[in-house]
Amino acid sequence: NAGVTQTPKFRILKIGQSMTLQCTQDMNHNYMYWYRQDPGMGLKLIYYSVGAGITDKGEVPNGYNVSRSTTEDFPLRLELAAPSQTSVYFCASSSYEQYFGPGTRLTVT
Amino acid sequence: DAKTTQPPSMDCAEGRAANLPCNHSTISGNEYVYWYRQIHSQGPQYIIHGLKNNETNEMASLIITEDRKSSTLILPHATLRDTAVYYCIVELSGGGADGLTFGKGTHLIIQP
Repeated sequence: NAGVTQTPKFRILKIGQSMTLQCTQDMNHNYMYWYRQDPGMGLKLIYYSVGAGITDKGEVPNGYNVSRSTTEDFPLRLELAAPSQTSVYFCASSSYEQYFGPGTRLTVT
Repeated sequence: DAKTTQPPSMDCAEGRAANLPCNHSTISGNEYVYWYRQIHSQGPQYIIHGLKNNETNEMASLIITEDRKSSTLILPHATLRDTAVYYCIVELSGGGADGLTFGKGTHLIIQP
């Protein structure tokens, strides 16, 4: 099993650009999550999904959108990127414990 | 806000047991204690979890006090690769529909 995979690993965006962060898991987990981590801080939940077709907001959803058309994939969309969205983004899926991807390091300048 | 309190940093000598404390005085009866760690910029890694009994797996042991208001994660023979930020998290189970609430954790530094 590859577990949770994320692409890209790194990305630099200009202010106002848009992009999609990809996340795929091969463990057939219903629950999937997107977190962001700012320097020196813990992770904060952006969006989560309890199954295909169902998504909901977490603690910091503003500026982001998600979709869940399949069990495996949970992409995160950034519209109109802002410097405040410079962060490391982690995707996770869970059964009883959460499995995290390696992260995407995003810089918005 | 995180429901747990952890020291910001700790040192431990290589080969010794690392004991990481966590206070969770407001834990409710159906909440679990989870421990994750994050090694330098990688995604967090699950270590262990428990409800009220002590637990042990191949990575660590978890000791939960009888009143469940605090717990200790024990790495029995710490190695340099155990240097990481360790997060103690109290949640209903797995994070479920609400995800996990991460505090700042304890930065454990293993000294050679």
